[in-house]
Amino acid sequence: SSELTQDPAVSVALGQTVRITCQGDSLRDYYTTWYQQKPGQAPVLVIYGNSNRPSGIPDRFSGSSSGNTASLTITGAQAEDEADYYCTFRDSSGNHPFGGGTKLTVL
Amino acid sequence: QVQLVQSGAEVKKPGASVKVSCKASGYTFSTNGISWVRQAPGQGLEWVGWISGDNVNTNYAQKLQDRVSMTTDTSTSTAYMELRSLRFDDTAVYYCARDLGSSAYYCFDYWGQGTLVTVSS
Repeated sequence: SSELTQDPAVSVALGQTVRITCQGDSLRDYYTTWYQQKPGQAPVLVIYGNSNRPSGIPDRFSGSSSGNTASLTITGAQAEDEADYYCTFRDSSGNHPFGGGTKLTVL
Repeated sequence: QVQLVQSGAEVKKPGASVKVSCKASGYTFSTNGISWVRQAPGQGLEWVGWISGDNVNTNYAQKLQDRVSMTTDTSTSTAYMELRSLRFDDTAVYYCARDLGSSAYYCFDYWGQGTLVTVSS
């Protein structure tokens, strides 16, 4: 079992806001990274260092972290945001455990 | 533009070894490490290990450290991951990714296209 817990599935109406969460005690001590993965494709970095967005990622994606919970928020979800989302962090031993992933459906 | 191009799909028998390559371009290869991540069919992501771009340092996932080796060839900007004593549950897509290290919270900003390794008798 993963040390990071994610809801297996979340849905959102087109244009609405959705928050995807990631829970784990280690998140109190380390920065969270989020990846988006569409079927048959490699993952894409969407948020790093809890809340930083790489160039090219739409500003509707934002991240935050408080206590043992990290969150990825999509404000005004689009059809193309339908994907699996994974959280992870890098611990002091250099390991990168991943959450089990959240499948986002845009209705 | 940064690109990571991986070698093609492999089919191996249990107990055999596989070596996957990842050729980088568009940046100075030795300045960033490469992490490898795998994904079993229908499953989530699993970190396999990391190697520094200069081939000096490695760090492997504990569950695989006895069977995995990673190297780089700076002359060709290519990273390699070898997995030995293959088991059926090693069947997965293996990805390489550029690891930005401490300069960017250890995130993976560019990924290869993935290499399917199938272990079948």
